[in-house]
This record gives sequence, structure tokens and C-alpha cells, in this order.
Amino acid sequence: SQKIEQNSEALNIQEGKTATLTCNYTNYSPAYLQWYRQDPGRGPVFLLLIRENEKEKRKERLKVTFDTTLKQSLFHITASQPADSATYLCALDETGGGADGLTFGKGTHLIIQP
Amino acid sequence: KAGVTQTPRYLIKTRGQQVTLSCSPISGHRSVSWYQQTPGQGLQFLFEYFSETQRNKGNFPGRFSGRQFSNSRSEMNVSTLELGDSALYLCASSLLPGQGTGGDAFFGQGTRLTVV
Repeated sequence: SQKIEQNSEALNIQEGKTATLTCNYTNYSPAYLQWYRQDPGRGPVFLLLIRENEKEKRKERLKVTFDTTLKQSLFHITASQPADSATYLCALDETGGGADGLTFGKGTHLIIQP
Repeated sequence: KAGVTQTPRYLIKTRGQQVTLSCSPISGHRSVSWYQQTPGQGLQFLFEYFSETQRNKGNFPGRFSGRQFSNSRSEMNVSTLELGDSALYLCASSLLPGQGTGGDAFFGQGTRLTVV
């Protein structure tokens, strides 16, 4: 069966360190993989998208890698700050047109300790 | 410009009742998708509307329905509410159908539905 797995337990990182979040999937062939941030009581906010033929994508302190052989994406936040504390969701789009909607993981709760 | 607006923000209903949730997309956006978010299942796709037509539907029972109006505003309805329908219901709007290009989909703050 299809499955998207993210670290189910909260991830505690000290301020200034690099936070690395993992997204593993099985039985999917995503055309795109996306990362979102969600704060309590708010909707998800898009952060980064990476295509199946891309290995890495960067945006300011954020970096995403995509390994279609391992079926895994890693999401890095460098020089982490307490304001980065939130739940981070990965989402797959198999069709490239999103006609079936995005399929989300359950998210990883990241806590940056000052 | 104004973001995606969902109303109401919070709702408490009794089992067996029905409920209607509203979503006003960003001005100019014509596609609206709905998602259900629960701690156990995470975010799950309900359906997507474009130009007043449902393009696709997720794996939810027929008690969940929706529609889109000519001004792109969308409503979703849940009939015969069950305790398990308690969730955060999110809508996302985008210019065009599908969200595969990423960054094109903007989520509202959601409606928190509690069924008692």
C-alpha cells in the first residue's frame, strides 16, 4: 500500500544548529515533492518544491534533497531559530498536475530550543 | 491582496446534524481544493473544484459533498455528522486546476469542526 512517513516524534534542536527532517515514501512515483510549514491553528504554508529530476533545491536557510532511488527527501534548516519551531509537512504529487490533490505526510513537529 | 478566507473558524455540531463550511479563494483564483486534517490521518484530500465543476474526489463517503459558485467561492457540506468527522477542514485556492507546480496553492486557516 502507499505510505508517506515522517518522523512521528517531535524533533528537538538547539538554536543555531541544523535541523534535518526526513520524508520517506513507498509505492509512489511522485513527479513533485513539496514541503510545507504549519503553525498551530493555521493552514499549511508552502516552502519548497523539488522535481523528480532534481537532486537539491535551496531557498535562504532551507535546503531540500530528493533521492528517487531511496524514495526519500531530506529537509534541512540551517542556523535554526526558535521562530522555526512548527510542524513541517511533506507532500507528494504523482501526476504533476495535481488532479488527485496532494498526498501529505502526517508531519514532524520541530522544536528549536533557545 | 486578501488571502483565503474560511468561515466559520470554529463550529460545534451534534452527531446526526449537517454542516456547511465556506471558502472564499484569493481574488482571481478559480480552483479550490478541500482537505480534512486529523491527528490520526493527517491531511487528506477531499475534492477539488474548478469553474464550478468537481474535478476529482478523494476517498470519502458520499456524506461529504461540495460545490463551487460562479464567483469561485466554494462550500462543502457534511451530512449526518459522525464523531469521527471532528477535524480541521482546510481549503486551498490556486489560479489553475491542480497544485503540482507548487507554491500556487494557498491554504486558508481552516474551520475547526467538533462533533459531540
